[in-house]
Amino acid sequence: QKEVEQNSGPLSVPEGAIASLNCTYSDRVSQSFFWYRQYSGKSPELIMSIYSNGDKEDGRFTAQLNKASQYVSLLIRDSQPSDSATYLCAVLFGNEKLTFGTGTRLTIIP
Amino acid sequence: GAVVSQHPSWVICKSGTSVKIECRSLDFQATTMFWYRQFPKQSLMLMATSNEGSKATYEQGVEKDKFLINHASLTLSTLTVTSAHPEDSSFYICSTYPRETQYFGPGTRLLVL
Repeated sequence: QKEVEQNSGPLSVPEGAIASLNCTYSDRVSQSFFWYRQYSGKSPELIMSIYSNGDKEDGRFTAQLNKASQYVSLLIRDSQPSDSATYLCAVLFGNEKLTFGTGTRLTIIP
Repeated sequence: GAVVSQHPSWVICKSGTSVKIECRSLDFQATTMFWYRQFPKQSLMLMATSNEGSKATYEQGVEKDKFLINHASLTLSTLTVTSAHPEDSSFYICSTYPRETQYFGPGTRLLVL
């Protein structure tokens, strides 16, 4: 079983709707959780970080963490075409190396 | 603003030559740098972890004699792809984590002809 799993997509969402990206991880001894956005041909860009259970909001983005269920998600409200990218979930486990999921490709349809 | 810079952003070379990629931390001292490789439509693959003043730690399956890493100062780490071949063509990205958050450089796209 992979340590960090994401649905590869593609996920298509109409412009203005909410995009929901999900990620599960296999190790309970995990400290920090991150969402990165990667445009085609570019390097990953940090979108959100979350460290404790619950929701964390930053503008149109909300990260949700449930450690008991080993689940972290990213919600994008009022989706824009510029949100079209691959979203990478990353978990910092106890060995201090970020482990990445394979990414979910999101397409916002105008 | 940018946290990590890389140079060059693009490089095209002939098979058999060596290519050096520089990664610099901006405005902070990076004791640890990570080097990743990403093939088209695939996820990031960690190649090695470089630590300032000591030998790099390579991930399983990564040839340390082919991918030479030097981290001689707290702001500069270099990756040298020696005797590059077409299968080494990829997107190479360095990364470090000031303030417990990992940031990526802009990446270097290598094309070996």
